[in-house]
Formats: sequence, structure tokens, C-alpha cells
Amino acid sequence: ETGVTQTPRHLVMGMTNKKSLKCEQHLGHNAMYWYKQSAKKPLELMFVYNFKEQTENNSVPSRFSPECPNSSHLFLHLHTLQPEDSALYLCASSQGSGYTFGSGTRLTVV
Amino acid sequence: DAKTTQPNSMESNEEEPVHLPCNHSTISGTDYIHWYRQLPSQGPEYVIHGLTSNVNNRMASLAIAEDRKSSTLILHRATLRDAAVYYCILSPSRNAGGTSYGKLTFGQGTILTVHP
Repeated sequence: ETGVTQTPRHLVMGMTNKKSLKCEQHLGHNAMYWYKQSAKKPLELMFVYNFKEQTENNSVPSRFSPECPNSSHLFLHLHTLQPEDSALYLCASSQGSGYTFGSGTRLTVV
Repeated sequence: DAKTTQPNSMESNEEEPVHLPCNHSTISGTDYIHWYRQLPSQGPEYVIHGLTSNVNNRMASLAIAEDRKSSTLILHRATLRDAAVYYCILSPSRNAGGTSYGKLTFGQGTILTVHP
């Protein structure tokens, strides 16, 4: 365990489903992030939250909807996804310069 | 964001030192040099970071060129568990709300293979 916990570890969903990914950290970090890692591609930053406020959205389609109710929890709500959205979704938190990543949720859209 | 250039892959033998290079010729004065690694089926893991001076920790050493346009991650004795993708990342430090945080932009990294 890294201190950043992501659930579920694996998720298979249909294109009409609605699901949510959860990320939790109790490291006292104030910044939290969602990254997407597709096969053979570098990690792509999706969203940044600092003190619960969204500070960055990297042109992510609206079918991905983040939520940050407090500095310890981050959600990614998914609806009407496409097969190309299948990827490893990673959550991270930081305080200062060091990031701590979770183990990710492996998402498959069928 | 300033870019970094790393070799696609490197190989090493177990118990030998490994020097992983990174070029960052467009680095700015406020950019920190970060190294992360990603083992198979895991999220990236922090290795080390620095600004100007060489840095050492229990995992590795970071040697930064005097002009800061390049750096080298040094694993003093490679083990099989060090086989991973190693990322060299520049991150400007930002301040907001009384705390600092930096955005990490990942490239392709260097795939390190360690032979027994």
C-alpha cells in the first residue's frame, strides 16, 4: 500500500453503464490528481484538485466527471464511455514536490 | 512545460551500477528535476528529485549537470526488482492557498531491463 487507495482495482462496464472510481488518501496532502494511462502511451493528466477546488481540466470529455468532496477523497464518475476509454486510471496526491500514486483501476469498456 | 529526452530502453546486469540519462535543455530556473519509476501493474513511484545540487537517498542518487541541462539517475547496485520504466520529469513549483504543488507531465520514459 502506498497511502493512496483506489477502488475498484478492476472494472468492466458497458457503454451505457454509469460507474464511479474512488480514490482515498490519508497522507494529509492537499492536491489530488486523476491520470489516464492507455496501452503504449504515456500517462495523461486529466484533472487537478487543490484544496478541493478543481484547478485543471485537460480538455477531458464530459463523460468523465470528477468530484472532490474533501481533501482526502476524489471520485471519477463515468457514463456513456467508449471502448477507447479502456485504460488504467491512476489517482495521485501531493504536498510539495512529491507525488504518491495509487495502484490504479484497470477499466475495460465493452 | 519543458520537455525531457530519455533513451527508450537500457539494460543492466544484477549487482552492477546503472546510469540513466536525461536531457532537458529547455529547463527553466524554477523547474525541479523529478524521477519516478513504474513497475508492472503498479502506479508510478517517487524515486528522487532535485533542483541544482546532487541528491542522494536510500533508493538512488541524482547527479545534475552544472548548467542543469541534463541529469543522471544512478542506481548503485541494480536488482531484479529495479526493472521498471523510469521517468525523468520537470515540474515547476507552484503556490496556491499557502501550499505548493507541481504538475507532473510524463513522457515515454526509459524501460530498464535487469539481467540476473
